[in-house]
Amino acid sequence: QVQLVQSESELKRPGASVKVSCKASGYTFNSYGMNWVRQAPGQGLEWVGWIPTNTGNPIYAQDFTGRFVLSLDTSVNTTYLQISSLKPEDTAVYYCARSRDAYNSHDVSDIWGQGTMVSVSS
Amino acid sequence: DIVLTQSPDSLAVSLGDRATISCKSSQSLLYSFTHKNYLAWYQQKPGQPPKLLIYWTSTREPGVPDRFSGSGSGTDFTLTISSLQAEDVAVYHCQQYYSLPFTFGGGTKVEIK
Repeated sequence: QVQLVQSESELKRPGASVKVSCKASGYTFNSYGMNWVRQAPGQGLEWVGWIPTNTGNPIYAQDFTGRFVLSLDTSVNTTYLQISSLKPEDTAVYYCARSRDAYNSHDVSDIWGQGTMVSVSS
Repeated sequence: DIVLTQSPDSLAVSLGDRATISCKSSQSLLYSFTHKNYLAWYQQKPGQPPKLLIYWTSTREPGVPDRFSGSGSGTDFTLTISSLQAEDVAVYHCQQYYSLPFTFGGGTKVEIK
């Protein structure tokens, strides 16, 4: 069964860091890329970035450069989203979503993780 | 960045009736080399992640009921639910994957009248 399982919800203080994981199973990990998408409470979807699981060289949306870092560990079929210097406005559900193409970011997300809620509050 | 504008923001449709959602792009999503429009539709039910319904404007994902259809080209796109069922209550999002950053529309909430 193809699935993406994300890490549990996190509550952090402003200025802290968080690392969200996304473990893939049921398919050949490095045959697909991985998108990350943010959804703030009651809001729409924002594309954070894409990481090719063959090269590991990510692409980011402009609004997510600097404090947001995508990485992967192919030995455990897992991708990560790390956010540093957290701000209250980073409060959102973060989704990983499998991208159909391992080499080209211009494709859709066909399998989604369950989402990880990251709450930032003092 | 490409801006996708969905309309309406919400709509209430009677069971068995047609629901139509519009998605307008600030730039053409048609790639002349492939003759494909890089536009997808996702369905999101409360408390759940989005689910891919349609890609390349009109290709249904396997397992998606044929009452869902997509159409359009260039800058104007439509998602149609031909006969609304109770399980179709959700928010529907369009997404362009033509140009980085990939952007989503604001979403359309579909309810039962």
